[in-house]
Amino acid sequence: DVKVTQSSRYLVKRTGEKVFLECVQDMDHENMFWYRQDPGLGLRLIYFSYDVKMKEKGDIPEGYSVSREKKERFSLILESASTNQTSMYLCASVRSSATGELFFGEGSRLTVL
Amino acid sequence: AQSVTQPDIHITVSEGASLELRCNYSYGATPYLFWYVQSPGQGLQLLLKYFSGDTLVQGIKGFEAEFKRSQSSFNLRKPSVHWSDAAEYFCAVGDNFNKFYFGSGTKLNVKP
Repeated sequence: DVKVTQSSRYLVKRTGEKVFLECVQDMDHENMFWYRQDPGLGLRLIYFSYDVKMKEKGDIPEGYSVSREKKERFSLILESASTNQTSMYLCASVRSSATGELFFGEGSRLTVL
Repeated sequence: AQSVTQPDIHITVSEGASLELRCNYSYGATPYLFWYVQSPGQGLQLLLKYFSGDTLVQGIKGFEAEFKRSQSSFNLRKPSVHWSDAAEYFCAVGDNFNKFYFGSGTKLNVKP
């Protein structure tokens, strides 16, 4: 069974803390994505990566960075968490949109106090 | 610019009634179209997808969707809703550059 695994389902952090959200996929997909989901706003793309060590900004990259050192792993980093980054974060992967669909992890709900 | 509109934020239907969730998109070329479902506290699960060919596509859980190019729509339907269908539904468009655009979602409530 194919899988996208997000290491933390729920996190509570304090303002100013550094936060790491990790995502691992076992499908050998080239492309991986980090989305943020907020009520009424749908999914907004933060960053995506189409290959190891390659990354591109999405629609809302401010305050975030990413790391992709290995094909199966894509990390989202909040260098200094702020309360407006309280949200649900979804990781996804796909081989390519021409041949397949996004596979999602179960999400990481982050609360910043 | 590409965009996806789901005009209904909330919909309530009675169990056993039919369902139609609306989705309109803006995209210059032939789109790749998807419907996802999200149960509370969970990630998104693919219901169905359209890439080409027959414009009426069947998905899991008894859902279907019809691609209408002239209306730029990809509405999701189910003839008889079950209580377990209560969830949030997202329509999405994918392009040739590995970008996906999501609608803001429709929350479905099912009355007993």
